[in-house]
Amino acid sequence: QVQLVESGGGVVQPGRSLRLSCAASGFSFSAYAIHWVRQAPGKGLEWVAVIGSNGVNKYYADSVKGRVSISRDNSKNTLYLQMNSLRPEDMAVYYCARDGGWQKYFDYWGQGTLVTVSS
Amino acid sequence: QSVLTQPPSVSGAPGQRVTISCTGTNADYDVHWYQHVPGTAPKLLMYGNTNRPSGVPDRFSGSKSGTSASLAISGLQADDEADYYCQSYDSDLNDSWVFGGGTKLTVV
Repeated sequence: QVQLVESGGGVVQPGRSLRLSCAASGFSFSAYAIHWVRQAPGKGLEWVAVIGSNGVNKYYADSVKGRVSISRDNSKNTLYLQMNSLRPEDMAVYYCARDGGWQKYFDYWGQGTLVTVSS
Repeated sequence: QSVLTQPPSVSGAPGQRVTISCTGTNADYDVHWYQHVPGTAPKLLMYGNTNRPSGVPDRFSGSKSGTSASLAISGLQADDEADYYCQSYDSDLNDSWVFGGGTKLTVV
């Protein structure tokens, strides 16, 4: 079955960096675009970034553009999110989610990893 | 502030029917719905406005007209209690996937 498992979350000081990972299994990882979506405490879901199946096309939400970089290693079935210059408002549970195709939805999600930004 | 607008909460008794609205959608794109129990992975509930993924019971139904969509849940059950999010795409907003603010469903 499709599985997405995030890791790399933790407590980080404002201005520092963190890299999240998402390990995929149960499907042909290299055939799918994958997204990062986050949920801040007490808030709703917010789309963060997407990367195409071959790793070339990348799109970011305005709230993270210039501070975040999405990448993937198809040989390792793993997705990454490099987050730099972290702000308190970046504190959230970060989910990776598989792209559902031309209708632009998310068909499978991971359980999430918590990023806490605090001094 | 979310791009799509949902009521913050709805409630209903077991067996009843509730609807959750989602307004402000782009008329050119489909609306999708997710069920999220805090602490777990969000689950796709409805895609392409009206389509249920395999395993989602037919108590759940979706509709869309113009720039508004809705999710209906009939025969409410205790384990339907969760947060529900609508989602769509907005090519006018820097090619972004957008969500509603979420609706907390309470089964009273």
